[in-house]
Amino acid sequence: EVQLVESGGNLIQPGGSLRLSCAASGFSFSIYAMNWVRQAPGKGLEWVSYISSLGDAISYADSVKGRFSISRDNAKNSLYLQMNSLRAEDTAVYYCVRDDEGVGAHEDYWGQGTLVTVSS
Amino acid sequence: DIVMTQTPLSSPVTLGQPASISCRSSQSLVYSDGNTYLSWLQQRPGQPPRLLIYKVSNRFSGVPDRFSGSGAGTDFTLKISRVEAEDVGVYYCMQATQFRTFGQGTKLEIK
Repeated sequence: EVQLVESGGNLIQPGGSLRLSCAASGFSFSIYAMNWVRQAPGKGLEWVSYISSLGDAISYADSVKGRFSISRDNAKNSLYLQMNSLRAEDTAVYYCVRDDEGVGAHEDYWGQGTLVTVSS
Repeated sequence: DIVMTQTPLSSPVTLGQPASISCRSSQSLVYSDGNTYLSWLQQRPGQPPRLLIYKVSNRFSGVPDRFSGSGAGTDFTLKISRVEAEDVGVYYCMQATQFRTFGQGTKLEIK
């Protein structure tokens, strides 16, 4: 069974930093691309960042470019999101999402999410 | 950036009746490999999103056959043949042809 478990969400002051983690299990993590997608309270879905299976291709939404950094450790079956210079508008539930590029089933499995609240 | 526009934003439906949601992209979603990377996701209240349909018309594993997707180019449709109570939630279209963009979401509710 595919499982994605996010952690690291917290209440943080504007300008602060936070690192989110995602522990993957139930599939061969190293052969799948991964994404972070966020959802502000009561709002829709916003794609944040993508990383290829080997970590050699990375992309970011304009709203987080230069502030957020995605990475992965295939030996630990883990995905990360380093979030710096946080703003109130970054407040959201952050989802770790698998991407099955092989069959084109993008965003096929989602974690339960971790809540990041940016407030003073 | 590709903009995804869904209609309607809210859809009250009677149980057992069909429902339809439209999604339009600001540019063609046909990728250089010939595939069209348009997906539909369902988000039930209090739950993370769940993939229903990928590449326009392919049902994901475990998705009931009352859900179907169609369309091409810039215009796409999700249809539910007979709405059940468990279908209540918000439905999103998503393009993965150029990075990722989601539609605003369509709230499906029972009349």
